[in-house]
Amino acid sequence: GAVVSQHPSRVICKSGTSVKIECRSLDFQATTMFWYRQFPKQSLMLMATSNEGSKATYEQGVEKDKFLINHASLTLSTLTVTSAHPEDSSFYICSAESRPYGYTFGSGTRLTVV
Amino acid sequence: AQSVTQPDIHITVSEGASLELRCNYSYGATPYLFWYVQSPGQGLQLLLKYFSGDTLVQGIKGFEAEFKRSQSSFNLRKPSVHWSDAAEYFCAVIDGGSQGNLIFGKGTKLSVKP
Repeated sequence: GAVVSQHPSRVICKSGTSVKIECRSLDFQATTMFWYRQFPKQSLMLMATSNEGSKATYEQGVEKDKFLINHASLTLSTLTVTSAHPEDSSFYICSAESRPYGYTFGSGTRLTVV
Repeated sequence: AQSVTQPDIHITVSEGASLELRCNYSYGATPYLFWYVQSPGQGLQLLLKYFSGDTLVQGIKGFEAEFKRSQSSFNLRKPSVHWSDAAEYFCAVIDGGSQGNLIFGKGTKLSVKP
């Protein structure tokens, strides 16, 4: 079956630095990748949708200059949190769409900004 | 480790028929449970959630789910399916031990026959 590898699983960074999160589809080509954010004990919120080779579509209220998404290949999408602040601390998870597998989720990244 | 099982990969129902999507979880404490829907090319949308209280939960789009602790289940139901309900459905549980990370089932694809 389809597997999405997401790393790092946990990262702690200093305020003001940038953090890159990677999602790789290991045995299929992911034409579309979704990035979600989740605060503790709350539901997922879609941040953006990216299609390979084109610009990501961001949801309302998500700062595109702060959350940079790159989907340069059919097997790799990255989310970079730029100039991170403590309020960016959250759980980030990606999901890849690929037929015929449907939707496959990464294991998530716990970001803590100190 | 916590896990979520959706035993049905693909279900086809006729429009107007009733629907039940199964979800079983493995979790020691009282879980926080969610059902999400994802239409093709779209991000996840929360249908409903259960934290505590009444075990029958009402959600959006006419969906409901019932938490049954004795069966470790949280099945999603709808009395009359519409063609627009065709989508992929995900059950998820919060892993409270990890500050609220969601654990997803593999999803059930719903097709609706006219």
